[in-house]
Amino acid sequence: QQQVKQSPQSLIVQKGGISIINCAYENTAFDYFPWYQQFPGKGPALLIAIRPDVSEKKEGRFTISFNKSAKQFSLHIMDSQPGDSATYFCAAKAGNEKLTFGTGTRLTIIP
Amino acid sequence: DGGITQSPKYLFRKEGQNVTLSCEQNLNHDAMYWYRQDPGQGLRLIYYSQIVNDFQKGDIAEGYSVSREKKESFPLTVTSAQKNPTAFYLCASSIGKGGTYEQYFGPGTRLTVT
Repeated sequence: QQQVKQSPQSLIVQKGGISIINCAYENTAFDYFPWYQQFPGKGPALLIAIRPDVSEKKEGRFTISFNKSAKQFSLHIMDSQPGDSATYFCAAKAGNEKLTFGTGTRLTIIP
Repeated sequence: DGGITQSPKYLFRKEGQNVTLSCEQNLNHDAMYWYRQDPGQGLRLIYYSQIVNDFQKGDIAEGYSVSREKKESFPLTVTSAQKNPTAFYLCASSIGKGGTYEQYFGPGTRLTVT
């Protein structure tokens, strides 16, 4: 049973545009929501994370928006650059339990 | 890749053979994990270990085995019982398992079984 649903599966955005990736979850016990970035042939790396007591977290061009009532969270990449082309995974965790990952979004930024 | 070494980067094996994937970390992390990555399926947890000489099954442990004899090392054996072993395998570690401890991933090993 997939506990974190991620969309879209792939996304093409023009350079300078805004990339938006969405995730939805069912388990209301989740209390930690990280986003990972993975380049081809590499392991994922933590990009940004949020806890449910805030609705938004921003780090540079990357912003997480969190909607607790809708059980949704999203990653926004402002002024998208070709170097942002990668696969992005959302994830969620409840307390001491394991991380549950979304299925990933392959983002391509075109000139 | 955050002080986590996985070797080799590419591995080829014949069907029916067991194969062991190496994972070493120098981060002094207590917890270590093995994930399998397949296209369109995200990362799925195979095994994890919180301390030396202790490990637990993840979501897809069948056909895999692990050991944790040293804090720094968490090798994964893909046995002949694993029905579809061809995949990208990722090792990760974190300071602890609980809370918001960041997981650091290694560069991965791509296993191809023919």
